Amino acid sequence: DAKTTQPTSMDCAEGRAANLPCNHSTISGNEYVYWYRQIHSQGPQYIIHGLKNNETNEMASLIITEDRKSSTLILPHATLRDTAVYYCFPNTGRRALTFGSGTRLQVQP
Amino acid sequence: DSGVTQTPKHLITATGQRVTLRCSPRSGDLSVYWYQQSLDQGLQFLIQYYNGEERAKGNILERFSAQQFPDLHSELNLSSLELGDSALYFCASSVGAGAETDTQYFGPGTRLTVL
Repeated sequence: DAKTTQPTSMDCAEGRAANLPCNHSTISGNEYVYWYRQIHSQGPQYIIHGLKNNETNEMASLIITEDRKSSTLILPHATLRDTAVYYCFPNTGRRALTFGSGTRLQVQP
Repeated sequence: DSGVTQTPKHLITATGQRVTLRCSPRSGDLSVYWYQQSLDQGLQFLIQYYNGEERAKGNILERFSAQQFPDLHSELNLSSLELGDSALYFCASSVGAGAETDTQYFGPGTRLTVL
């Protein structure tokens, strides 16, 4: 399984863009990069996923490097409600999702 | 709101008892997954059902069982409860059986407290 590395924690000012990096240097060709977040004790929330092209939806943008060894999740205008733990992981379609330690994002007023 | 519903939200019971957790998947989703999240162990996959059939099994104890009914809702049964079973139990659903783009959507969870 591809391993991921994420910063333990990050701060971001409200209204500013939050850029969350993820290193997945051992990702294989058929693995999509998925991002989820979990707000304290709530169910994990799907954010976005991508294979090699950059993706954007109503929640965030996902930038994947050309070599696919890393990606960045961008929340364009962070709000206090974006304070959460953010998880990135490759997904081969295995049934079990495996969440690592993630990045704890604290949005400051 | 993911569209996945779970009941009850909270459950408090005693050791040795049996409880049933219920999950209704998003409309159109055929797969249901169960996960356990405790403070010291993160999110642990328990079991997956796809269109009524067991599809994949994770670290599910023998005291735990699950099923998916013809209307696609699922129930997780936990018996002979122990203090260590206290945790958040999440259900997730997806359209298919588990392809690379088969996104799982999680419900709000059931918080089980065993006293």
